[in-house]
Amino acid sequence: TQLLEQSPQFLSIQEGENLTVYCNSSSVFSSLQWYRQEPGEGPVLLVTVVTGGEVKKLKRLTFQFGDARKDSSLHITAAQPGDTGLYLCAGGRSNYQLIWGAGTKLIIKP
Amino acid sequence: GAGVSQSPSNKVTEKGKDVELRCDPISGHTALYWYRQRLGQGLEFLIYFQGNSAPDKSGLPSDRFSAERTGESVSTLTIQRTQQEDSAVYLCASSLLGPGHNEQFFGPGTRLTVL
Repeated sequence: TQLLEQSPQFLSIQEGENLTVYCNSSSVFSSLQWYRQEPGEGPVLLVTVVTGGEVKKLKRLTFQFGDARKDSSLHITAAQPGDTGLYLCAGGRSNYQLIWGAGTKLIIKP
Repeated sequence: GAGVSQSPSNKVTEKGKDVELRCDPISGHTALYWYRQRLGQGLEFLIYFQGNSAPDKSGLPSDRFSAERTGESVSTLTIQRTQQEDSAVYLCASSLLGPGHNEQFFGPGTRLTVL
């Protein structure tokens, strides 16, 4: 059972376009993290959101946590080839447990 | 400071052989996690350590898989009698437990290929 659904699973767009990746669940999380993973490397944390309705910006990336803390989105403005990678969301449930989404593979074509 | 390190980076083995994968977490991180990642997919939780005890082994796929940790330091994941379906990248992560939101820091992984 996949507790965190990510969509789309795969996205290939041209440089300069905007995109949004979604992470949805029927469960409430204490926090929601977004990671990016490049080939041959482990995931690297991008951001943690903890408050319902919270919005965080990281340069061209905007992260939002849903009001009910069940879903999150990642919006990239003017995507660049360096944004290419696997984007993973992970929901915090207890002091140690993270529930992971299956990931969105993003390819930005120059 | 140093991040999470894993060794070997690549391992090719024959079906039926045992393999041992090593993880060195960030110094001071009390929690350690093992994950499996199949090609192009997300992370599959295997086991979690708090110190040298493992409160959650629920993700280990079979009794061929085992893991141990020495104190709050190095951990080894052992796969006995490897099968072709064990081929994957095995990722280790550590985190500093306490009040907060459990941010995990990952190693580069060990790519295991079972022929």
